[in-house]
Amino acid sequence: AQSVTQLGSHVSVSEGALVLLRCNYSSSVPPYLFWYVQYPNQGLQLLLKYTSAATLVKGINGFEAEFKKSETSFHLTKPSAHMSDAAEYFCAVTSSGGGADGLTFGKGTHLIIQP
Amino acid sequence: DTEVTQTPKHLVMGMTNKKSLKCEQHMGHRAMYWYKQKAKKPPELMFVYSYEKLSINESVPSRFSPECPNSSLLNLHLHALQPEDSALYLCASSQGVSGRSETQYFGPGTRLLVL
Repeated sequence: AQSVTQLGSHVSVSEGALVLLRCNYSSSVPPYLFWYVQYPNQGLQLLLKYTSAATLVKGINGFEAEFKKSETSFHLTKPSAHMSDAAEYFCAVTSSGGGADGLTFGKGTHLIIQP
Repeated sequence: DTEVTQTPKHLVMGMTNKKSLKCEQHMGHRAMYWYKQKAKKPPELMFVYSYEKLSINESVPSRFSPECPNSSLLNLHLHALQPEDSALYLCASSQGVSGRSETQYFGPGTRLLVL
């Protein structure tokens, strides 16, 4: 079974500051890892995903994440926060294997941007 | 076009009512998913359909009955729900050909209130 743990249910940063959202995974097989963002009263939108092709993954809206097997981590970063980044962020995992499978989500991190 | 549509946006129902949620995608995807998201919680997988066949049922109570009439459409039939079933119900789809590394595209959800 696979799972992800997101450290920090709330993260507050100033506009223009570095954004760092933490995600650690647990999986008995090579994982596929995803970061999704959810704005209020909306569905989820994919920011980026790791599928073993490259350890540094670039996504939309200036976000990127680095897969570190030695640390079992997949932290999300953005060099300069913007007010529009305020949202709920979910790390998610599926295990490698055939067939469609659902995502297992972390508990989420609420990102607050201070003006 | 990467749009998944869900109707209705909002639904209020009594515990004796029967209602249905509808999800539609026209991306040619062959895997479709239902998730349930309680307030301030991450989405939780309910069902997975692959090529119009139910492939995963996460021990969901029988008062939730999924249906996949064709490759573009996914329904969730609701009957005799409980107030604790009040949640945001999210539909998602993915290509269904590359396994678990595929991106799941989410609809905006149906917000359900059971009185």
